[in-house]
Amino acid sequence: AQSVTQLDSQVPVFEEAPVELRCNYSSSVSVYLFWYVQYPNQGLQLLLKYLSGSTLVKGINGFEAEFNKSQTSFHLRKPSVHISDTAEYFCAVSSSSGGYNKLIFGAGTRLAVHP
Amino acid sequence: DAMVIQNPRYQVTQFGKPVTLSCSQTLNHNVMYWYQQKSSQAPKLLFHYYDKDFNNEADTPDNFQSRRPNTSFCFLDIRSPGLGDAAMYLCATSRADYEQYFGPGTRLTVT
Repeated sequence: AQSVTQLDSQVPVFEEAPVELRCNYSSSVSVYLFWYVQYPNQGLQLLLKYLSGSTLVKGINGFEAEFNKSQTSFHLRKPSVHISDTAEYFCAVSSSSGGYNKLIFGAGTRLAVHP
Repeated sequence: DAMVIQNPRYQVTQFGKPVTLSCSQTLNHNVMYWYQQKSSQAPKLLFHYYDKDFNNEADTPDNFQSRRPNTSFCFLDIRSPGLGDAAMYLCATSRADYEQYFGPGTRLTVT
C-alpha cells in the first residue's frame, strides 16, 4: 500500500526567507509524485510533478522539488517566499492503475508567510 | 481557457434533504473524480468514472452516488445528508493516468 507523510503540519516563515516543506512516501512500485497548493476556499492547483527523468523538478511560482529514491522523499523548496505563498500544500503519490491515477495525499502543510 | 467548473460554489442543505453537486469540464478528459475534503484534512477519493465506467472506493458510504450523463458533466448526489457530510467537495479530471486537474470545489453546509 502507498502512503505519504508530510512531516510538518505548519511552517511559519518570514517573507523573502527560504522554505522547505518535507514529504516522505512509501510504495512498493514505481510512483508518480505531485505537490499541490490550495488557497482558502479553493480547489487544488498543481505546483509540480515527478513522473520520471531528472530528479530535480521545477514548478510554477518559483517552487522546485527533488525526488530522492533512496530516502523516499520529495521535498518542496522555494528560495524566497512571498506573502502570497501562504496556503496549504499537499504532497501526493500515485501509481497508474487500470488507466487512471489514484492519488494518495499527505495530511498537508500549512505555510504561513509573515511580513 | 479549458477548465473544470463546479456549481454551486457554496451549498446549504437541511439534514436529510437530498442534494446534488455539479461538475463540468471543457478539457475533454475521460476520467472524472469526486473527492471529499473535511476541514483541515486531505482530500479523500469517493469514486471516479473512467468514461462511462463507475468505480466506487470501498469505504465510500452508500449515501453518496454519482452520475455521468456525458463526457463533460458529472454529478454527486447525497441522498440523505448528515451533519458529518459537511465538507468541501472537489471534482477533478484527467486524461487516463495523467495528472489530475481540480475544480474550485463546492463547500457543503448541512443544517
